[in-house]
Amino acid sequence: AQSVSQHNHHVILSEAASLELGCNYSYGGTVNLFWYVQYPGQHLQLLLKYFSGDPLVKGIKGFEAEFIKSKFSFNLRKPSVQWSDTAEYFCAALRRDFGNEKLTFGTGTRLTIIP
Amino acid sequence: DAGVTQSPTHLIKTRGQQVTLRCSPKSGHDTVSWYQQALGQGPQFIFQYYEEEERQRGNFPDRFSGHQFPNYSSELNVNALLLGDSALYLCASSLVWTEAFFGQGTRLTVV
Repeated sequence: AQSVSQHNHHVILSEAASLELGCNYSYGGTVNLFWYVQYPGQHLQLLLKYFSGDPLVKGIKGFEAEFIKSKFSFNLRKPSVQWSDTAEYFCAALRRDFGNEKLTFGTGTRLTIIP
Repeated sequence: DAGVTQSPTHLIKTRGQQVTLRCSPKSGHDTVSWYQQALGQGPQFIFQYYEEEERQRGNFPDRFSGHQFPNYSSELNVNALLLGDSALYLCASSLVWTEAFFGQGTRLTVV
């Protein structure tokens, strides 16, 4: 069965620090990969996505992620975080099998930015 | 352009009761998926509807059922509610092989 693992449960950083959140998926076939963010009291929003092509993808708000197929990883990065980045971050994978569009989420990483 | 809308936003039910949650997809989207998000967890896939039929289902009991209407809106029904059904229920809409857009969710509390 497909699974998505996020290694960091809760990350606390000071403003301007660099961020890297880990994500690994278990499926060996073709997958689409996503990072979603959930700000306090708001709905899940798409940060960025990888479908194919350049493995380094850029998203909104200065976030980027790198797809490393050999490591089954899709880590999220940001060079300098802001207080407004405080949120819950979810990695998700979508298997590209016909008739199988189940989006599998990781357990999430809570990011707290200290001003 | 309205995004995904869900109703109601909050709901309190008693054990054993039945509940219906509603979802209107983003304009132009034809696929609706439902997820359950327990506190401190990632969303768990319940099922997906496309062309008014359940196309795929996650590991949820038959107490969880759904429906999709010709206008692509959808309902999630849960029968015989248990305390463990308390969670945030998320609806997401999409087109085939594209990213999912999520609604605000319905917070269900079972007492």
